[in-house]
Amino acid sequence: KAGVTQTPRYLIKTRGQQVTLSCSPISGHRSVSWYQQTPGQGLQFLFEYFSETQRNKGNFPGRFSGRQFSNSRSEMNVSTLELGDSALYLCASSSGQGTQPQHFGDGTRLSIL
Amino acid sequence: AQTVTQSQPEMSVQEAETVTLSCTYDTSESNYYLFWYKQPPSRQMILVIRQEAYKQQNATENRFSVNFQKAAKSFSLKISDSQLGDTAMYFCAFILFQGAQKLVFGQGTRLTINP
Repeated sequence: KAGVTQTPRYLIKTRGQQVTLSCSPISGHRSVSWYQQTPGQGLQFLFEYFSETQRNKGNFPGRFSGRQFSNSRSEMNVSTLELGDSALYLCASSSGQGTQPQHFGDGTRLSIL
Repeated sequence: AQTVTQSQPEMSVQEAETVTLSCTYDTSESNYYLFWYKQPPSRQMILVIRQEAYKQQNATENRFSVNFQKAAKSFSLKISDSQLGDTAMYFCAFILFQGAQKLVFGQGTRLTINP
């Protein structure tokens, strides 16, 4: 079974631009969660999608948004990029129930110049 | 709100030794799960072990075991016969039994296994 696939692996942008990150979950998984990882703040929850609906959202500004498609693939968008958005963005998928653990992708390393 | 605290930013042991990583958490909920994830330099987050809060028996996975103390809200990870491949960042994480799949992570412990 293929794991969680995140694309691209690396991304370099400049301030003010926008970016879209993609996540393909494990086949059969309906829940996709996104996390931001930085040295200062650690791992922080961004949002979770289940069956194309956002179930929960973390404490991030509205510049961070996401969506999920009918095939459970998810995209995350960040608009008007700031230097502080430089981070590793991790995507995780699961069946959607607390009994099943989340499986993570390799992440997208986003650098803002 | 739930919080997870890992008080050891870094640890270092010799190969084949046993090491214990500490984790405490805070929640008012009674039904939840606890996890330990490892993140090697390759950066993929890998599930090491999980514990259901309603189970009194401590979880074990080969060389990895936990000491779960629900009343004390403590969840430590013991690695026996440590190997070079165990070198990684280790994160303790919490999730509620029901609701959105929102993991709350500790700050992590950087574990180095020396030859």
